[in-house]
Amino acid sequence: EADIYQTPRYLVIGTGKKITLECSQTMGHDKMYWYQQDPGMELHLIHYSYGVNSTEKGDLSSESTVSRIRTEHFPLTLESARPSHTSQYLCASRPLAHNEQFFGPGTRLTVL
Amino acid sequence: AQSVTQLGSHVSVSEGALVLLRCNYSSSVPPYLFWYVQYPNQGLQLLLKYTSAATLVKGINGFEAEFKKSETSFHLTKPSAHMSDAAEYFCAVSDLNTGNQFYFGTGTSLTVIP
Repeated sequence: EADIYQTPRYLVIGTGKKITLECSQTMGHDKMYWYQQDPGMELHLIHYSYGVNSTEKGDLSSESTVSRIRTEHFPLTLESARPSHTSQYLCASRPLAHNEQFFGPGTRLTVL
Repeated sequence: AQSVTQLGSHVSVSEGALVLLRCNYSSSVPPYLFWYVQYPNQGLQLLLKYTSAATLVKGINGFEAEFKKSETSFHLTKPSAHMSDAAEYFCAVSDLNTGNQFYFGTGTSLTVIP
């Protein structure tokens, strides 16, 4: 079944740790996105990719980095986690020919 | 620049009552407009979208929305609320000028009272 997956779903980690949030989609979509979501606020775009070897920063400044080595995989990495990184991170993908974005279930990150 | 305003961060309705969630947008060119629903601990699910075809758009779960260019609005409605409609609802706008990047509203939390 075509879908978009995120792992882990929940992560509690200490300050200074390096973490990678995984996002994979089996729909063959070229465009992929990472959003940060905090309660009562709009989703903020932090990274996006239009295809393999393409990555761009979004509107919200982020200390994270992303890579796009394969079409289906778009991981997000934090080299040194801080409490200010505590948030929900949503991954999305979109085919070239359509407008809507398809979202994964999210990763809720807590940095102590 | 594109932006979305959702009036009312919290809306409560009785079961069986009309649901009306408001969304106003700002876009310098014809927009694409979307409503997404988010249940607790889940991602966003597309309810419906407007992409310059019919101004009245029907979506899943009995929801519909009407694009009104003169009012720059895209309000979401459902004639009769069900308990399962309790969730967070997000309006989003995109257009060709932004490379189809999405701009989201701050969301409206819908509570359905039995």
